[in-house]
Amino acid sequence: EAQVTQNPRYLITVTGKKLTVTCSQNMNHEYMSWYRQDPGLGLRQIYYSMNVEVTDKGDVPEGYKVSRKEKRNFPLILESPSPNQTSLYFCASSLSRAGLANTSPLHFGNGTRLTVT
Amino acid sequence: AQSVTQPDIHITVSEGASLELRCNYSYGATPYLFWYVQSPGQGLQLLLKYFSGDTLVQGIKGFEAEFKRSQSSFNLRKPSVHWSDAAEYFCAVGAKGSGGGADGLTFGKGTHLIIQP
Repeated sequence: EAQVTQNPRYLITVTGKKLTVTCSQNMNHEYMSWYRQDPGLGLRQIYYSMNVEVTDKGDVPEGYKVSRKEKRNFPLILESPSPNQTSLYFCASSLSRAGLANTSPLHFGNGTRLTVT
Repeated sequence: AQSVTQPDIHITVSEGASLELRCNYSYGATPYLFWYVQSPGQGLQLLLKYFSGDTLVQGIKGFEAEFKRSQSSFNLRKPSVHWSDAAEYFCAVGAKGSGGGADGLTFGKGTHLIIQP
């Protein structure tokens, strides 16, 4: 089954304790992206990747890192989490840029709810 | 920069009644427009998209949307809603990033649809 898999689904951590949220897709997609979703703010892009070893900042990259060493994986790293990073995070992928090709929609994972205390 | 406005944070509709969710966008060129639905605990799923051509587009689950360039709108409609349509709905506009900011989709803040029995 074609899917984007995020882990964990729920995570509670403390300020300053490094964490990684994993994202993997099995569709051989070139494009991957991370979003955070906050009430009243919708989805905002954190980072995106056009292909292996190619990553770039989105709207809200501060406090986050990403890497794209393999095509299928795009982990999100919080080196020193803070309470303002408490949010619902989504990973997404598409065959080409951000679902903008007519035959390549953006596929989303089921989300990771992160709480930083 | 592109932007999307969904004027209604919440909408309540009776089951079987018709539905229209509003979306207005701001974009310098011909936009790529999308509607996504998010069911509780799930990621976002593409309902429909507009790239070019016929301004009335059909999507999944009986939804349709009409692109009106003169009004900068892309409203989502359904003739008769079902209880299973209760969800969060996001309108999005496609952007072509240059590496200096968000790439791909800019999302509205969402409209929460409540279905009354």
